[in-house]
Amino acid sequence: DIQLTQSPSFLSASVGDRVAITCRASQGISRYLGWYQQTPGKAPKLLIYATSTLQSGVPSRFSGSGSGTEFTLTISSLQPEDFGTYYCQHLNTYPLTFGGGTKVDFK
Amino acid sequence: QVQLKESGPGLVKPSETLSLTCTVSGYSISSGYYWGWIRQPPGKGLEWIGSIYHTGSTYHNPSLKSRVTISVDTSRNQFSLNLSSMTAADTAVYYCARNTLGDGGVDPWGQGTLVTVSS
Repeated sequence: DIQLTQSPSFLSASVGDRVAITCRASQGISRYLGWYQQTPGKAPKLLIYATSTLQSGVPSRFSGSGSGTEFTLTISSLQPEDFGTYYCQHLNTYPLTFGGGTKVDFK
Repeated sequence: QVQLKESGPGLVKPSETLSLTCTVSGYSISSGYYWGWIRQPPGKGLEWIGSIYHTGSTYHNPSLKSRVTISVDTSRNQFSLNLSSMTAADTAVYYCARNTLGDGGVDPWGQGTLVTVSS
């Protein structure tokens, strides 16, 4: 099975900061990686799929990059509504797996 | 607009089997995509349970071994999850969702339903 390791596990930042979250896969997954945002009490929301394609309606301050085994989610200017937990997930093959999550909190 | 909604018991006794149903609206399951189940224990991360293709092919998390059964009822536009031999470790919010393989992701998701395992 493919394991995904996210870092950092916790991130504290200020409004306007540039934030980056990394996801490393235990083996190559081509470009088949997605990113999700989850706020308390809500279902996860797909932000980015296929490494860098923004889901419809997602603000352009979110971007994704990478290939193979290392991927990055970047928020160019953190906004108050961006707090929550972010997860990566591979869709290369079954079984699907998620990263452990990165909780984004505000200073 | 595609919407999914989970239904089933909120409380299950240890050793019993959990049965959940996901009702899909705004899209016909038989038209394609995979349809899956994902769970999240309180305060923890996301765990993929399994998915079913509209043709009936199923895929599941090896860690759950033979406890998982996923089925589809295209006539009702529903798919279901059975998870046997429930223990306290299975207490979680259970989500149903549509997923792809390769390009794409898990979207949309149901609102989730909390299942507690307790006697």
